[in-house]
Amino acid sequence: EAQVTQNPRYLITVTGKKLTVTCSQNMNHEYMSWYRQDPGLGLRQIYYSMNVEVTDKGDVPEGYKVSRKEKRNFPLILESPSPNQTSLYFCASSLGGRPTEAFFGQGTRLTVV
Amino acid sequence: QKEVEQNSGPLSVPEGAIASLNCTYSDRVSQSFFWYRQYSGKSPELIMSIYSNGDKEDGRFTAQLNKASQYVSLLIRDSQPSDSATYLCATGGGATNKLIFGTGTLLAVQP
Repeated sequence: EAQVTQNPRYLITVTGKKLTVTCSQNMNHEYMSWYRQDPGLGLRQIYYSMNVEVTDKGDVPEGYKVSRKEKRNFPLILESPSPNQTSLYFCASSLGGRPTEAFFGQGTRLTVV
Repeated sequence: QKEVEQNSGPLSVPEGAIASLNCTYSDRVSQSFFWYRQYSGKSPELIMSIYSNGDKEDGRFTAQLNKASQYVSLLIRDSQPSDSATYLCATGGGATNKLIFGTGTLLAVQP
């Protein structure tokens, strides 16, 4: 089954404790991206990657890191989480190196206390 | 000015009616346009994509694009209570390689 898989689905952590949210897709898509969704602000792109070893900042990259060492994986790293990073996070992938039809993962609800 | 603008709603329509959702965008060189449906607490799901001016129909859904007016719309015919969700408009392939979303319109279909 074609899918984008995120883990974990839910996470409560403390300020400053490094964490990684994993994202994996099995559709051989080139384009992958991370979004955060907050009430009233909609979906905002954090980082995106057009292919292996090619990443770029989205609209809200501060406090986040990403890497794309393999085509299928695109982890999101929070080196020192803060409460303002409490949000619902989505990973998405698209065929080709451009943001065409995007398929989303199930989401990760992160709470930083 | 927001890059992609939508009325937040809620848009309330009776069951069986046509729901009309609208979206405007600011990047004149945007090449691709999408409508996603998002149920509360779930991930966005692509329902329509449109790349050229005019109408595109898929079942009960019709997407309309007018690049000159920088306007995209989604019509849902014979609306059902199961269509109640937030509808997100998105644009891509513009001046950047980003997929940019509006904040969504909440649709409520009343039985």
